[in-house]
Amino acid sequence: KAGVTQTPRYLIKTRGQQVTLSCSPISGHRSVSWYQQTPGQGLQFLFEYFSETQRNKGNFPGRFSGRQFSNSRSEMNVSTLELGDSALYLCASSLVGLAGGNNEQFFGPGTRLTVL
Amino acid sequence: KQEVTQIPAALSVPEGENLVLNCSFTDSAIYNLQWFRQDPGKGLTSLLLIQSSQREQTSGRLNASLDKSSGRSTLYIAASQPGDSATYLCAVLDSNYQLIWGAGTKLIIKP
Repeated sequence: KAGVTQTPRYLIKTRGQQVTLSCSPISGHRSVSWYQQTPGQGLQFLFEYFSETQRNKGNFPGRFSGRQFSNSRSEMNVSTLELGDSALYLCASSLVGLAGGNNEQFFGPGTRLTVL
Repeated sequence: KQEVTQIPAALSVPEGENLVLNCSFTDSAIYNLQWFRQDPGKGLTSLLLIQSSQREQTSGRLNASLDKSSGRSTLYIAASQPGDSATYLCAVLDSNYQLIWGAGTKLIIKP
């Protein structure tokens, strides 16, 4: 069974630009969660999507948004990029999501975003 | 606000030793706790998930315990191997269904 895939793996942008990251979950998984990992803040929860609906959102500004498609693939968008948005962005999929009983998360390799 | 702390931040031990990694959390209202490992430049691999009603979980040489009332979890690694070198992270699923993460313990196993 194929794992979680994320594209692109590396991305370089300049301040003020916007970026879209993609995540394809494990087949059959309906939940996709997104996380930001930085050396200073560690791992932080961005949001979770389940069956095309945002089910939960972390404490991030509105510049961070996402969506999920009918095939469970998810995209994350960051607008008006800032230097502080440089990070590893990880997505995770699970069968029933964070609110489910057995909500083991399976992570993708991440997208390394550098903002210059 | 839930906070998760991992001690130590780094650990270096010779191959073959048994070791314990610690994770503490401030709010006992959690649904579960998970341990992950992260290899450099890679994503996270789930190691063990302990539901709030459970006391421990085992997988091979790994054993994780959970004491919800005291806000503590430990990850025990038996007979450590160089391949165990990685950063180990714990995360709790809080009452808002969000995963709150510790900063991790960087483990180095010396051959």
